[in-house]
Amino acid sequence: AQSVTQLGSHVSVSEGALVLLRCNYSSSVPPYLFWYVQYPNQGLQLLLKYTSAATLVKGINGFEAEFKKSETSFHLTKPSAHMSDAAEYFCAVGYTGTASKLTFGTGTRLQVTL
Amino acid sequence: NAGVTQTPKFQVLKTGQSMTLQCAQDMNHNSMYWYRQDPGMGLRLIYYSASEGTTDKGEVPNGYNVSRLNKREFSLRLESAAPSQTSVYFCASSVSANYGYTFGSGTRLTVV
Repeated sequence: AQSVTQLGSHVSVSEGALVLLRCNYSSSVPPYLFWYVQYPNQGLQLLLKYTSAATLVKGINGFEAEFKKSETSFHLTKPSAHMSDAAEYFCAVGYTGTASKLTFGTGTRLQVTL
Repeated sequence: NAGVTQTPKFQVLKTGQSMTLQCAQDMNHNSMYWYRQDPGMGLRLIYYSASEGTTDKGEVPNGYNVSRLNKREFSLRLESAAPSQTSVYFCASSVSANYGYTFGSGTRLTVV
């Protein structure tokens, strides 16, 4: 069964520091990979997605992620954190032929401090 | 605005009561989903509907039923609510596997 592992349930960074949120997936077939962001008391919003085109994917709000097949990873990065980035981030994986279902990781809460 | 609409946004139930969570999308998506979100557990799939007229169980279907009323609407029913069903419920829709989901804003349900 497909699965997603997000290392670190909480990550704290200083404003202006690099953000790195980790995501690994288990799969024997090519995946589609997604990062979603959830602000407090809101729904989930798509940040970016990998769908077998370029391995480096750029998303909204300055975030990007790199698909590394050899490491089965899809880590999310942002060069310089902003206070407004404080939220919960979810990695998700999907595959063709599965009714478009996504499997989500358990989430990483990002805290940004002054 | 186009998207996924969930009602209600908040609900408090007593143990044993029933209720239906409503979800509607206006993007002409074929597939719709119900997830629950609990702290530390991410989002877990309750039921999904790959297309109008079909529904299937997800990871945590016990205690729930669903109805795909038409292409737009997908409702989730709790027949006899239990405290373990206290959660935030999200509806989502999708057009294809590489599209990802569009989510509703969620329903916060408390069962006392």
